[in-house]
Parts: sequence; C-alpha cells; structure tokens
Amino acid sequence: GAVVSQHPSWVICKSGTSVKIECRSLDFQATTMFWYRQFPKQSLMLMATSNEGSKATYEQGVEKDKFLINHASLTLSTLTVTSAHPEDSSFYICSARGQSRGYEQYFGPGTRLTVT
Amino acid sequence: AQSVAQPEDQVNVAEGNPLTVKCTYSVSGNPYLFWYVQYPNRGLQFLLKYITGDNLVKGSYGFEAEFNKSQTSFHLKKPSALVSDSALYFCAVNGGANNLFFGTGTRLTVIP
Repeated sequence: GAVVSQHPSWVICKSGTSVKIECRSLDFQATTMFWYRQFPKQSLMLMATSNEGSKATYEQGVEKDKFLINHASLTLSTLTVTSAHPEDSSFYICSARGQSRGYEQYFGPGTRLTVT
Repeated sequence: AQSVAQPEDQVNVAEGNPLTVKCTYSVSGNPYLFWYVQYPNRGLQFLLKYITGDNLVKGSYGFEAEFNKSQTSFHLKKPSALVSDSALYFCAVNGGANNLFFGTGTRLTVIP
C-alpha cells in the first residue's frame, strides 16, 4: 500500500507555544489531505480537508485560526496548533488521497501531542 | 447525511473461532464502505472496501466483509481469529467531498 508519514510521532510542548505536524505522502502525489483528531477510546473526528494549492476546508466547530493547515505541495501538508493548551492534547492523524491511488485514503501513523 | 454505527464497543472471541464485527450505515445514494484497523498508538490500516460489485469483499489478513443492502450492513468477518487480530476496528462510509465518516470503533480481543 501507499506510504504516508507523519513527523513528529510524538511531541510535548508547553502551554502557549505552537507546534507544527508534518504529513507526507512518500510514493504518490496527494491532491487531497485530511486531518483527523482522535481522543482516547474514541473515533476519529475530521478536522479539515485540504487540497493542494487551496485553502483548507474546516469542519464545523474547528477553529481555523488555531489549527492552521497548509498544503503547499502534492506531497506535504502541515498542521500547526497555535497557542496550544492542555485541551489540545490529542492524537492527530493525517490521511492522503491521490488520483494514482484510486482516490482511496491512506493514513499516517499519527502524532501524539501533549501540552503541559 | 452519512453515518455509521458500530453497535458493539467490545468483541471477545477465542483464538481459532470465527469473528464478526458489526457495522450498519446510513447514506443517501450508493455507499462506499470501508474497514480499517488500528493498533495502539498507530494510524489506521486499510483492510477492505466495498464500492460496487460482489457483496462479499475480501481484504487483507484474511478478513472479509459482506455488504447487505436490505439490512444496510457491512459486517467484518474472519473464519478463524488470531491473537494478533486483537486491535481497534473502524467502519467508515464515504461522505460528501469524499471524506470519510467513521464509526465509534469496536475493540476486538482474541483470547488465546
């Protein structure tokens, strides 16, 4: 299957700081990338959808000024959590989709964010 | 609106026995249905999908799922469970803009 990586795999930051998470499609061009958030023992919640070269589309209730998403190239999308607070601590998962892969979503391994 | 229900939070099965993880869906139009597996602190791994065609879909690691339109179900099955199958399983349906709506997940525990 297609490979999607995330970096870092885990990060601990202090409250008030910003954290950037990278999502890369390693062997295909991802025209669309998705960012999900998963709370412990809960399902994935879609945060936003980003298409290469366009502004991200945020789901209802997701603060676009807090969760900045950039999809500058066909292989890279970034999620920046700005002014992080402890309630932002979560498991963030990205997925990527591309025409060459039949429009199927391939998921990254996730990033565990802990805000102290 | 699209939605997926996984009625069981937890399924326990003895190793070697058949397993079933249930999923029902609600969509407008033809459904695209998926099963994913998640191991601890890992992302989701694709198991199988139904787009069209045969109602019985075969996927990775010996898993299969049966699409039942009349019952709006897409249950995941495996004839003989392995301890290594123990994980969190998610059913998903394709939503608008081709994103995925996930069920709440079912934790499968295979008992040796």
